[in-house]
Amino acid sequence: DTGVSQDPRHKITKRGQNVTFRCDPISEHNRLYWYRQTLGQGPEFLTYFQNEAQLEKSRLLSDRFSAERPKGSFSTLEIQRTEQGDSAMYLCASSSQGFDTDTQYFGPGTRLTVL
Amino acid sequence: DQQVKQNSPSLSVQEGRISILNCDYTNSMFDYFLWYKKYPAEGPTFLISISSIKDKNEDGRFTVFLNKSAKHLSLHIVPSQPGDSAVYFCAAKRDDMRFGAGTRLTVKP
Repeated sequence: DTGVSQDPRHKITKRGQNVTFRCDPISEHNRLYWYRQTLGQGPEFLTYFQNEAQLEKSRLLSDRFSAERPKGSFSTLEIQRTEQGDSAMYLCASSSQGFDTDTQYFGPGTRLTVL
Repeated sequence: DQQVKQNSPSLSVQEGRISILNCDYTNSMFDYFLWYKKYPAEGPTFLISISSIKDKNEDGRFTVFLNKSAKHLSLHIVPSQPGDSAVYFCAAKRDDMRFGAGTRLTVKP
């Protein structure tokens, strides 16, 4: 299977703990995106990378959130000092940059529950 | 700011009939539009897209229509099948991608 994969699929943590999620994009894709989705809403953009460079960050991405893509392949999203409001589905997507073809393909998501 | 809106949270159609899902957007700078389908406990699956230079794109049972003057996008599924039952998200892109809140489609046998 050469789709986008995410790990873990589910994470339950206590408020104040740190969590880290991993995303492995489709291998030939140079762009990688992180989104957050809450119940009844569409995915909300958090940040994206082109190769290893983080090119854009949403204002939703507070200073407790940090994302890395050190070698331009997999990416990690870390949330420090988690809050109950961080409970959501965290989605990763990847794409191959091209004119009119920047279609993003999503992974299955990591569902975070903060108790 | 809700730049992409799907005003119908749900839609129910009979198997074999046409399903029409609608989407409105406010930002005229969007240049690429997509529809995704989502099943429970899975990530969104890409369905079909359209560039702003076109007004129609067809792929099998799925057709997307773009009306730039009205800032309106629609997805037609014909004929609808029970397996099409899912939540459908429209998305619009310039630099980053904005999603609507989704429409839950139920196709009844």
